[in-house]
Amino acid sequence: QKEVEQDPGPLSVPEGAIVSLNCTYSNSAFQYFMWYRQYSRKGPELLMYTYSSGNKEDGRFTAQVDKSSKYISLFIRDSQPSDSATYLCAMSGGNYGQNFVFGPGTRLSVLP
Amino acid sequence: KAGVTQTPRYLIKTRGQQVTLSCSPISGHRSVSWYQQTPGQGLQFLFEYFSETQRNKGNFPGRFSGRQFSNSRSEMNVSTLELGDSALYLCASSLSGGPNEKLFFGSGTQLSVL
Repeated sequence: QKEVEQDPGPLSVPEGAIVSLNCTYSNSAFQYFMWYRQYSRKGPELLMYTYSSGNKEDGRFTAQVDKSSKYISLFIRDSQPSDSATYLCAMSGGNYGQNFVFGPGTRLSVLP
Repeated sequence: KAGVTQTPRYLIKTRGQQVTLSCSPISGHRSVSWYQQTPGQGLQFLFEYFSETQRNKGNFPGRFSGRQFSNSRSEMNVSTLELGDSALYLCASSLSGGPNEKLFFGSGTQLSVL
């Protein structure tokens, strides 16, 4: 079993739909959780950052962390064709010398 | 503020050769991490440098090495290239490498080994 699991997709939705992206993990030491968006041939771009359990909202994006279930989610409201990208979850524990563990990514296509 | 800069953008090498990739972090960032990204394995951590010292290392063979200079710029070297080393190599920087810090990525170097 991989340390971080993520449905690779591809996921296709119509423009305006609500998108739900999810990751599960096995390491209970993870405390910091991030979502990155990666366009083709580009580096990952940080979208959301959360600490421990709870929700965080930023514009059309909402990140949720449920540490008891080892489950994190990213919701995208009113999805746009420009949201078409690969979404990577990432998480880390409590040590310096950053060693983030990334999910394999979910490829999302938002159709106009 | 300029982002993380990686050069070159693309590289084509043949098996057995060696390659050096360069990364300039965001100004003021002292921690630089390197990742390998492939379609099959996703993003995998190579190593992290802080104050010119390798502080953390992933599970890669010794052919993969790196260094960091006093201005925080970093280089990564791969010797005796193998076909399986074809990948997107990503550099990321943060202020001091704390687990609670945000990690910012460059656009990567696409390495093709023929």
